[in-house]
Amino acid sequence: QVQLVESGGGVVQPGRSLRLSCAASGFTFSSYAMHWVRQAPGKGLEWVAVISYDGFNKYYADSVKGRFTISRDNSKNTLYLQMNSLRPEDTAVYYCASGEVVTAIQGWGQGTLVTVSS
Amino acid sequence: QTVVTQEPSFSVSPGGTVTLTCGLSSGSVSTSYYPSWYQQTPGQAPRTLIYSTNTRSSGVPDRFSGSIVGNKAALTITGAQADDECDYYCVLYMGSGISVFGGGTKLTVL
Repeated sequence: QVQLVESGGGVVQPGRSLRLSCAASGFTFSSYAMHWVRQAPGKGLEWVAVISYDGFNKYYADSVKGRFTISRDNSKNTLYLQMNSLRPEDTAVYYCASGEVVTAIQGWGQGTLVTVSS
Repeated sequence: QTVVTQEPSFSVSPGGTVTLTCGLSSGSVSTSYYPSWYQQTPGQAPRTLIYSTNTRSSGVPDRFSGSIVGNKAALTITGAQADDECDYYCVLYMGSGISVFGGGTKLTVL
């Protein structure tokens, strides 16, 4: 059974950085692509980034490109999202999600809230 | 920039059938977009219903099915139940690793 647990959210000032983590269990993490998806308060879902199973390929939404970096450590079954130059509009619940391939989003974590505010 | 479109809201009677759609502001949706569908109740994480057009996720009842109808992806719910009342999102794969969510459809069962 896929289990994904996000951590690292909190309140941060605009312009500062934050790193989110997602601990995976219940499946062969190193064989799955992994996504980050976010949801601003009262808004819809927004795809943020994806990383291939081996970490070699990474893709980003235009809204975060150049500011966010997705990475993974397959030896620790952990996914990361390094968020730099944070803006108020980055305020959202951030979900990590797994997929057998880059084109699929299948398993979901419960999310971690990031609030960007002075 | 291509926008993924969904009906903002839809209603269905208990026991009825409803088809939600997922389109593009420009062009037609095909299986090459690997459309997928997600269900979300307020305050909860999304749940995957369908991926790769018509593959049902583990544990999802066969009341939920995915297809391509005309130039859009479609999610059909048969035998609608009260707890089907929530938000439904689609995602289209745009190529080059990029996925885009639709704005979501709020389904009312009444």
